[in-house]
This record gives sequence, C-alpha cells and structure tokens, in this order.
Amino acid sequence: TQLLEQSPQFLSIQEGENLTVYCNSSSVFSSLQWYRQEPGEGPVLLVTVVTGGEVKKLKRLTFQFGDARKDSSLHITAAQPGDTGLYLCAGAHSNYQLIWGAGTKLIIKP
Amino acid sequence: DTEVTQTPKHLVMGMTNKKSLKCEQHMGHRAMYWYKQKAKKPPELMFVYSYEKLSINESVPSRFSPECPNSSLLNLHLHALQPEDSALYLCASSQDRGQTQYFGPGTRLLVL
Repeated sequence: TQLLEQSPQFLSIQEGENLTVYCNSSSVFSSLQWYRQEPGEGPVLLVTVVTGGEVKKLKRLTFQFGDARKDSSLHITAAQPGDTGLYLCAGAHSNYQLIWGAGTKLIIKP
Repeated sequence: DTEVTQTPKHLVMGMTNKKSLKCEQHMGHRAMYWYKQKAKKPPELMFVYSYEKLSINESVPSRFSPECPNSSLLNLHLHALQPEDSALYLCASSQDRGQTQYFGPGTRLLVL
C-alpha cells in the first residue's frame, strides 16, 4: 500500500506565527501537489513541485520537494487568519493516480 | 483559466430517485476524474476518463454510472443510492493522465 504521511493533522496557532506541514512517503513521486480546501468546497491547487530539491514560493507560503522526490513541506511565514483551512498534499505516480495525505486542519487565531 | 464547473452545488435525493451530476471544463484537458469525499477524509478516486474513454473504475458500485459525452463534459448518473453514499462529489481534470489535477467546487449529495 502506498502511503503519504502528512503531519501534523491539526494545528492551531496565533496570527503572526510560523508553521510547517510535512508530507513523507517511502515512494518516489513524479510530482507532488499541495491543495487548500474550505468546508464543502473542492480542493484549490496551490502549487505543483516536480524536480527533486525544488523550492517554490507563493507570497508567505514556501513549498519544498525533497531531493529524492519522496517528501515535501509547506512553510507558512507570519500566518494570517485567512490562511485557515484544510491543507492536502497529493503525490502523483507515473500513472494517473494521486496518493493523498490525510490533511492538516490549520486554524489561525487573530 | 483553470476552472472546472459542477452542477448542482447541492442535491437531496431519495433512495429510489435517479439524478445526474454534471461537470464541465474548457481547458482542453483530456483526462477527467470523479472523486467521492467524506467529511474529514481526503478524496477517493472513483472513475478516470482519458480521451473520452473510461480507463479506470475503482470498483465503484453499479448504482454510480459515469458518462463522458465529449471532451469537455463528464456526467455521473445516480440510481438507487444508499444513505452511506451521502458525500461531497468532486470532478477534476488534467492535461493528461498523471498531470496536475484541477478540481471543481463539488456537489454536496444527501441521500435520504
């Protein structure tokens, strides 16, 4: 069974703090996506990382793909209440299927 | 434009009803997907269409019947559903299989 372990599953922090979410696997992925999902809505793509060691920045969000393409992290700097949501990582194999992490529910308190 | 649209947004149906969910994308994507998502869980893959042909059926019960009328449209026909089928149904598309998937807003389905 292919697994993508995502941690932490739940995080509640104060506005202005930094945080990191991790996704780890023993499998190698051809790419890895990060999504953010609001309750009752579809996941919204934040970023796709493809190359081992790749770093991508989206304003205060920094995404990293591990050198071996087995793991990834999402770092948020100076978190804002608007960052509240469910963050999902999903690794893609050379076939069609996405392997999903369990999700991180993030709450940023004003 | 990376928009995938889904209708209806909400649907309530009885166990004897027949209904359909619709999904549309105009990005020229050749792969389209149906997912089912229960609360506090990641999406579960149901079906994959590639170049308008069903390529994957993840052992989904026959009360769910997908259809791809053309490269932009994907339907999911529902018949004789059970209450445990209540969930958020998500459509996604990608340029080709294995590439980044873009999701629609989902249809929240309640089966009574």
